[in-house]
Amino acid sequence: DTEVTQTPKHLVMGMTNKKSLKCEQHMGHRAMYWYKQKAKKPPELMFVYSYEKLSINESVPSRFSPECPNSSLLNLHLHALQPEDSALYLCASSQDLLTEAFFGQGTRLTVV
Amino acid sequence: QQQVKQSPQSLIVQKGGIPIINCAYENTAFDYFPWYQQFPGKGPALLIAIRPDVSEKKEGRFTISFNKSAKQFSLHIMDSQPGDSATYFCAASGAGGNEKLTFGTGTRLTIIP
Repeated sequence: DTEVTQTPKHLVMGMTNKKSLKCEQHMGHRAMYWYKQKAKKPPELMFVYSYEKLSINESVPSRFSPECPNSSLLNLHLHALQPEDSALYLCASSQDLLTEAFFGQGTRLTVV
Repeated sequence: QQQVKQSPQSLIVQKGGIPIINCAYENTAFDYFPWYQQFPGKGPALLIAIRPDVSEKKEGRFTISFNKSAKQFSLHIMDSQPGDSATYFCAASGAGGNEKLTFGTGTRLTIIP
């Protein structure tokens, strides 16, 4: 099983809404990541969790709040987003920080 | 120091041809170089990766060539097919504070029948 599962696949939310993106992997990977990808651009790293602890925060605005409840799950809580936050949000995982990263299919987020 | 430069930005190749995508890096601490393939609306999929101890790696129709002295690496797709039409990203990472993947800007590849 080399799958990273993200839900939902699509999400439309208003600027006052609170929503969460979910990511799950059962490969025993100990590093998990959130990326943001705008159209025709490479993925942009947001957060890295290593052994369930936040190890990298790429100066992401506080309206994005990550959470790692256990080694298989990663959430991204969204609150008071702006239309420019509309993007494909990708979760990835790897055995550890120095090995191959596997991406999920992403959540297409639209902020209206 | 953290940049990975990728070229060309877009590429159109006839079916059966060999598209070549090039990447160059500056940070000598990088020691892991993966390539990702991404179809529209999907997440990037790891295609093939190389470490600097070898100069070439093949997996099926995909080959990475690596030139450590020039700090360059490239992806070759043999016998290209229309189904290979996608965006390809090179990336690099390494130890000592360089663990996060640094991506190239991407190449949109179109294989015409």
